[in-house]
Amino acid sequence: DGGITQSPKYLFRKEGQNVTLSCEQNLNHDAMYWYRQDPGQGLRLIYYSQIVNDFQKGDIAEGYSVSREKKESFPLTVTSAQKNPTAFYLCASSIIVQGQMRWQPQHFGDGTRLSIL
Amino acid sequence: RKEVEQDPGPFNVPEGATVAFNCTYSNSASQSFFWYRQDCRKEPKLLMSVYSSGNEDGRFTAQLNRASQYISLLIRDSKLSDSATYLCVVNGGSYIPTFGRGTSLIVHP
Repeated sequence: DGGITQSPKYLFRKEGQNVTLSCEQNLNHDAMYWYRQDPGQGLRLIYYSQIVNDFQKGDIAEGYSVSREKKESFPLTVTSAQKNPTAFYLCASSIIVQGQMRWQPQHFGDGTRLSIL
Repeated sequence: RKEVEQDPGPFNVPEGATVAFNCTYSNSASQSFFWYRQDCRKEPKLLMSVYSSGNEDGRFTAQLNRASQYISLLIRDSKLSDSATYLCVVNGGSYIPTFGRGTSLIVHP
């Protein structure tokens, strides 16, 4: 069954601790994204990657880091520098069709809820 | 002006009603448009793409008005199960989409 798997579903962070959220996809999608969603708010882009070993900052990258060592995997680390990490984190992926202006829709994992202990 | 704007609602309608949402966007170069549905505490799921000529999928109709820079979603014969938040997504020519904050729909018996 193709899809995006995020783990864990729930995560608790102690003060001063770094935590890593996992995102794996078997859709063979080129692009992967991390979003943060706060209650009653829209999605805000943290980081995105269009190709292995390359990624770019989104709108709210401060306090977060990512890596893209494999096409299938795009883990997000929430560092201790992120002072307000409590949120719903969503990973998404999409196909990139070269030479076409039309963008392909994103598919989402089922998210990780991060809270502060 | 925000890039993508939606009326947050909630839209409170009885079963069987027809309801419509609009979403305005600011980037006239936008090329791709989508509607997603998000249930409470769940991930967004693609509902439908929006094509220039308008498109329909069962009870759902999506339209694009490039001149006025908005897209719309019409839901006919509303069901209780249609209760959710509807997100519009606009791509301005890059691979980075912009999400609206969503419109909440509540369908009651």
